[in-house]
Amino acid sequence: EVQLVESGGGLVQPGRSLRLSCAASGFTFDDYAMHWVRQAPGKGLEWVSGISWNSGSTGYVDSVEGRFTISRDNVKNSLYLQMDSLRVEDTALYYCTKGATFWSAYYEDSFDMWGQGTMVTVSS
Amino acid sequence: SYELTQPLSVSVALGQTATITCGGNNIGSKSVHWYQQKPGQAPVLVIYRDSNRPSGILERFSGSSSGNTATLTISRAQAGDEADYYCQVWDSSSRYVFGPGTKVTVL
Repeated sequence: EVQLVESGGGLVQPGRSLRLSCAASGFTFDDYAMHWVRQAPGKGLEWVSGISWNSGSTGYVDSVEGRFTISRDNVKNSLYLQMDSLRVEDTALYYCTKGATFWSAYYEDSFDMWGQGTMVTVSS
Repeated sequence: SYELTQPLSVSVALGQTATITCGGNNIGSKSVHWYQQKPGQAPVLVIYRDSNRPSGILERFSGSSSGNTATLTISRAQAGDEADYYCQVWDSSSRYVFGPGTKVTVL
């Protein structure tokens, strides 16, 4: 069974850091790009960041560029999101998602598997 | 920046057909994907590349795209189809773009 399990969310003050993790199982992790998509409470979906299957390319939404860093460990079948200089507007449920295309870069893809998400709340 | 528009809500009678539109400049030239999100759950991919269904998605879900509009059609709507539906595209300048979502209600 394909499974994505996020962890690392919590309550953090503005300006502080948090690191999200996603443990993947049930598929060949290093064959697919991976992404983080977030959803603020009561709002729609927003793509945050993506990384190619081999970490060769990464991308970010403009609002997190320079503050967030995506990475992956294909030995541990894990995806990470280092979030620095957090802002109140980063408050959201963060989903780990799998790119649908085999050996894809992080772009021009769809998201065919989603975790249940980990909640990040940025508040003083 | 590239933007997608969707109706805020769509209502459909039980057993009838629901049509959800997704508008964008020349969206017909892009690959459009659709996600279903039920309350308290993670999104599920229901249509990819305009009109393709992932395995496990019922044939009642279909998609099309042309010109400035992409469409998700739900045939023979059931109570279990009540959800928010999001369209999504890739744009080279805006990167991944999601529509604002459409809430489907089955009457």
